[in-house]
Amino acid sequence: GENVEQHPSTLSVQEGDSAVIKCTYSDSASNYFPWYKQELGKGPQLIIDIRSNVGEKKDQRIAVTLNKTAKHFSLHITETQPEDSAVYFCAASRGSGGYQKVTFGTGTKLQVIP
Amino acid sequence: DVKVTQSSRYLVKRTGEKVFLECVQDMDHENMFWYRQDPGLGLRLIYFSYDVKMKEKGDIPEGYSVSREKKERFSLILESASTNQTSMYLCASSLRRVQETQYFGPGTRLLVL
Repeated sequence: GENVEQHPSTLSVQEGDSAVIKCTYSDSASNYFPWYKQELGKGPQLIIDIRSNVGEKKDQRIAVTLNKTAKHFSLHITETQPEDSAVYFCAASRGSGGYQKVTFGTGTKLQVIP
Repeated sequence: DVKVTQSSRYLVKRTGEKVFLECVQDMDHENMFWYRQDPGLGLRLIYFSYDVKMKEKGDIPEGYSVSREKKERFSLILESASTNQTSMYLCASSLRRVQETQYFGPGTRLLVL
């Protein structure tokens, strides 16, 4: 089955700096890569995703890059703010009939220091 | 907005008790999921359902069962709770189409003594 590795497990940055979280996956059939943000006391929420036919996607201060050959993808957050502090999960997914089999990474706890 | 609700935020149970965790979604989603979240292990899929009365095992189904009698409701059952089932349990739902966003509930933190 799919295996998703995520690094680092914790990350502290100064407010205004950039943060990068990296993930690798093992199944070359995976074709959809969402990123979820989990704030304290809440469930994870999708913040950005990328499909395998795209190399990069941006949404304001967040961007995701995908290298299919190397089977890795990364989340980049620029100009970090205290409200970016949360746990971030990467995931890899491939369609299987009507169900997407999603495998999550182990999470990165991001702390933005004011 | 999609809303996924879970019946309890915190639960304390004793070893051997039967435990029911309920999840309800209000967006007519076909797919529903139960995950377990543990530090350093991320989210691990316990069971999922793609239709009423249908269920499929996820990666860690041992010690759990599920029930989906209505489209909007998906229940996770611990037949005989054990201390190693102390964890955060997250329910999610999504449309049946592939590559679809999963919407999560706030989670139930279960402590088994």
